[in-house]
Amino acid sequence: QLQLQESGPGLVKPSETLSLTCSVSGGSISSSSYYWAWIRQPPGKGLEWIGSIGSMYYSGKIYYRPSLKSRVTISVDTSKNQFSLKLTSVTAADTAVYYCTREEESRSSYWGQGTLVTVSS
Amino acid sequence: QSALTQPPSASGSPGQSVTISCTGTSSDVGGYKYVSWYQQHPGKAPKLMIYEVSKRPSGVPDRFSGSKSGNTASLTVSGLQAEDEADYYCSSHAVTISAYVIFGGGTKLTVL
Repeated sequence: QLQLQESGPGLVKPSETLSLTCSVSGGSISSSSYYWAWIRQPPGKGLEWIGSIGSMYYSGKIYYRPSLKSRVTISVDTSKNQFSLKLTSVTAADTAVYYCTREEESRSSYWGQGTLVTVSS
Repeated sequence: QSALTQPPSASGSPGQSVTISCTGTSSDVGGYKYVSWYQQHPGKAPKLMIYEVSKRPSGVPDRFSGSKSGNTASLTVSGLQAEDEADYYCSSHAVTISAYVIFGGGTKLTVL
């Protein structure tokens, strides 16, 4: 059974960079024909797709939410079976629960449990 | 990229049916078959309930069904049960300058 687990700092200062990692178990991140995505949910609000990166099957193609594109980087570390999110110049508006997911044809079938990241000084 | 439009709330009594709408544009809902619906209970990660407009993943009860007409997708929950009380989100493949995924604002379903 595929499992995803987010990890990273729970508190980030304004203007700094938010960095999260998603560890994938129960399947290889490189050999499967899927995308690996990040989705966030501000407290009490709805879901917001951040972006996704394709497996080697998709030549590592990356898609980002247009409004976040200038601040977001998603990458994959196949040796560790992990993928990562970096979001620069964070503000309080970036405070959210961040989920990593396995995505195919724009749907997320497997989700991590989510990790709350608070932006505050 | 404005969110897809969903009613903030919906409700029904046990055993009844309720339908939740999700309205977008021809650049998302109306233009692609990749519309999904998610159920989220408080403090939990979302769960995929419907994909490609009307398909159900294994293990999802057939009380949940999806459809689409033009730029509006719908989720119908039949035979409402107490455990169906949750937030529901639609999502769609979208393309403007590049491809991305867009979500609806969410609908709180209350079982009366």
